[in-house]
Amino acid sequence: QSVLTQPPSASETPGQGVSISCSGSSSNIGKNYVYWYQQLPGTAPKIVIYKTNHRPSGVPDRFSASKSGTSASLAISGLRSEDEADYYCAVWDDSLSSPVFGGGTKLTVL
Amino acid sequence: EVQLVEAGGDLVQPGGSLRLSCEASGFIFSHYWMHWVRQAPGKGLVWVSRINSDGSNITYADSVKGRITISRDNAKSTVYLEMNSLRVDDTAIYFCARGMSGSPWLDPWGQGTPVTVSA
Repeated sequence: QSVLTQPPSASETPGQGVSISCSGSSSNIGKNYVYWYQQLPGTAPKIVIYKTNHRPSGVPDRFSASKSGTSASLAISGLRSEDEADYYCAVWDDSLSSPVFGGGTKLTVL
Repeated sequence: EVQLVEAGGDLVQPGGSLRLSCEASGFIFSHYWMHWVRQAPGKGLVWVSRINSDGSNITYADSVKGRITISRDNAKSTVYLEMNSLRVDDTAIYFCARGMSGSPWLDPWGQGTPVTVSA
């Protein structure tokens, strides 16, 4: 049972956009920056969003993110086949004094 | 190139022990927190433990507290995860990652090392 709640799956066709939600609480998302990780099949996770809405260099501007209250979301526009991956939200939890991950969302590009 | 390489994963019987290692290169290892995160087969990421730059500040997830010890050797640019009293549900890929204080920023990650606990 993850501290952060994500939908287990999402799907959309190439060229379309998709949004992945992440729901938390006042001790994590409500107070701290949200991070998003992309895990391609058989590989280690990679940051695609840091400090809630910043993209590391090399991440396409098709990736964006936001936060409102105790929820956050990752949006991917102009979907491409290479975006098919598992996506995890992560945030520092003040009550646990540790980072916590969402359960992950498997994105399928149909 | 910033790189992390884990080693030590193996098949071990329930109740057994294992020591994982993660060797860093391409950055000043002694300046960073280091974390371990695990991923059970077909499941999501679960944070396990973290250690600060000089080893004086350590935190564990409740699920592993008392059974796992994290440590580091800055002279060898290596972080370790000593696992005891292993259980079947400890079966997972174990990733090490470079981190920062009070943040879930983890970058980069190693390729992971598999631990299988089975009789």
